[in-house]
Amino acid sequence: DVKVTQSSRYLVKRTGEKVFLECVQDMDHENMFWYRQDPGLGLRLIYFSYDVKMKEKGDIPEGYSVSREKKERFSLILESASTNQTSMYLCASSGMGSNQPQHFGDGTRLSIL
Amino acid sequence: AQKITQTQPGMFVQEKEAVTLDCTYDTSDPSYGLFWYKQPSSGEMIFLIYQGSYDQQNATEGRYSLNFQKARKSANLVISASQLGDSAMYFCAMRDMIKAAGNKLTFGGGTRVLVKP
Repeated sequence: DVKVTQSSRYLVKRTGEKVFLECVQDMDHENMFWYRQDPGLGLRLIYFSYDVKMKEKGDIPEGYSVSREKKERFSLILESASTNQTSMYLCASSGMGSNQPQHFGDGTRLSIL
Repeated sequence: AQKITQTQPGMFVQEKEAVTLDCTYDTSDPSYGLFWYKQPSSGEMIFLIYQGSYDQQNATEGRYSLNFQKARKSANLVISASQLGDSAMYFCAMRDMIKAAGNKLTFGGGTRVLVKP
């Protein structure tokens, strides 16, 4: 089974802090994704990566950056956390085939105080 | 631009009955894929079923089946013999095979299902 592991289930940080959310997958997937999920807004794509060191902006990249130095790891960085970044963050990975589903981690519920 | 619409924000279903969750999509591309996910209250997103635009038959996976009507651009999920554990949010998603670099998905807003005993 595919395993996507997010480093924290719950995280509380302060405004202005630099925040790192880590995601690791064990299936040698090329593609990795970061979403945020907010009530009434569904899942919105922040960034994705289709190869090591490659990244592309999603629908809401402002205030975020990402890093993919190794194939199995995709990090989301909040450069200077703000209260409007309080949300559920979901990481996913998928293989290259167009019929391959994305497999998700358990999510990180991030609160910025 | 792609768009996925789930018009039912929430619904109740009696245990052991079937339930149909609506999903309509809008794309100008001939090649695309449709996915359904389940999200229980614990938060993880669970992949349920996939339908390709060129697939001749409706997809089935255990108690899940897709009612795929290409001309109407709809891909409704049918859950047969509902169980209490089926209570969750359900999301429809689409991938544009040609344009979606990195296998990006566009998600609908979701439908919350509550199964009553």
